[in-house]
Amino acid sequence: KQEVTQIPAALSVPEGENLVLNCSFTDSAIYNLQWFRQDPGKGLTSLLLIQSSQREQTSGRLNASLDKSSGRSTLYIAASQPGDSATYLCAVSRGYQKVTFGTGTKLQVIP
Amino acid sequence: GAGVSQSPRYKVAKRGQDVALRCDPISGHVSLFWYQQALGQGPEFLTYFQNEAQLDKSGLPSDRFFAERPEGSVSTLKIQRTQQEDSAVYLCASSRRRTGHGEQYFGPGTRLTVT
Repeated sequence: KQEVTQIPAALSVPEGENLVLNCSFTDSAIYNLQWFRQDPGKGLTSLLLIQSSQREQTSGRLNASLDKSSGRSTLYIAASQPGDSATYLCAVSRGYQKVTFGTGTKLQVIP
Repeated sequence: GAGVSQSPRYKVAKRGQDVALRCDPISGHVSLFWYQQALGQGPEFLTYFQNEAQLDKSGLPSDRFFAERPEGSVSTLKIQRTQQEDSAVYLCASSRRRTGHGEQYFGPGTRLTVT
C-alpha cells in the first residue's frame, strides 16, 4: 500500500525566505506526482505536476523535483510572501488508480 | 472556462438522514474522482469513474456510500443513514486523461456535518 509522508507538518518563516517542503512515498512505481495548495475552507489548487519520466517542473517562484528511485519530491518556494500561507499537499498516482495524498505541510509566512 | 463545481457547499444532516452530493466536472473530462477529507488530514480516495463506468470503488468506507455517473458527466455521491463519522469535506476532481497521467482539477468541496 502506497504511503505518502510530508515533513514538516507545519512551518513558519519570515517573509522573503526561501523554503523547501518535503514529500516521500513508499512505492516508486508511480505515474506522476502533483503538488497542491489548499486554503482554509477551500478546495485544492494544482501547483505543479511532474510525470514519472521528468525530474523537475518550475512555475514562477515554485520548483518541484522528483527522485522516483528514492521515493522523494521537494517543493522549493523562493522569496516567500504572506500570500503563500496555506497547506501544501503532495499526491502520487499510479495508472488510473486512486491518488494517494500526504497529510500536508501547513505554511505560515510572517510579514 | 468553468472549473469543477460542487453542490451544496455546506450540508448539515441529522444522524440517520440520507444525503446526496453533486459534482459537475469540467466539460469533456473523462475521469472523475471522489475524495473524503477529514479535518487536518489529506484527502482520502473514495471512488473513480472513467466516463460512466465506476472502475474503482475500493475507498468507499461502507455500503452506505454509493456513487454514480450515469451519463458520464455529472456525478452524485449518496450517503445513506448518515453517521457522525461521515462528517468531513467531500471533494470531487476531474481529469482530461483516462490513464492517470493527467492533472486533476478539484472542486471547492462539500462540507458535511452530521449532528
